[in-house]
Amino acid sequence: EAGVAQSPRYKIIEKRQSVAFWCNPISGHATLYWYQQILGQGPKLLIQFQNNGVVDDSQLPKDRFSAERLKGVDSTLKIQPAKLEDSAVYLCASSSPDSPPYTGELFFGEGSRLTVL
Amino acid sequence: KQEVTQIPAALSVPEGENLVLNCSFTDSAIYNLQWFRQDPGKGLTSLLLIQSSQREQTSGRLNASLDKSSGRSTLYIAASQPGDSATYLCAVRGNYGQNFVFGPGTRLSVLP
Repeated sequence: EAGVAQSPRYKIIEKRQSVAFWCNPISGHATLYWYQQILGQGPKLLIQFQNNGVVDDSQLPKDRFSAERLKGVDSTLKIQPAKLEDSAVYLCASSSPDSPPYTGELFFGEGSRLTVL
Repeated sequence: KQEVTQIPAALSVPEGENLVLNCSFTDSAIYNLQWFRQDPGKGLTSLLLIQSSQREQTSGRLNASLDKSSGRSTLYIAASQPGDSATYLCAVRGNYGQNFVFGPGTRLSVLP
């Protein structure tokens, strides 16, 4: 079974530029999450999708961050314009269905490391 | 609002020791709790998932326990090996939504 796919793995940009990250969840996982992880900290939720609808985006800086999951499968996270403090790893995750035989387990991709200069 | 803490922040042990990592959460109304491992520059790898109705889960040398009433979970690693060196994170999922809240992690070093 293929895991959560993310790209690009690394991105270096100047402040005020824009960047986009892509994520393809595990097949059959309706719930998709974008997390931001700053060095030395645990992941912080940016946005949670259920199919193509937003469940929670309360911690998404909406003046500069946007995310979409138009067809309920893959998703894109965009930052425009980027700030120095956006330097972090952006992790995409998906979770298995809650109903048996699934467990609601959370699976992560390898992450996209962003450096803003 | 759920808050998750992990103690200790870092731990260094000689190879072969048994060790315990701690995770505490403030709201006991949880759906499940999951332990992860993260190697430097990598994503998170799932280790164990405990449903709210369960007390513990085991996988190989790993055993995770859950005490909802006290807001605690422990991850027990038996006979530690240098390959166990990584950051270990716990995440708690609430009953009233599907959001996982993460602790800051415990950075483990197992010395040969």
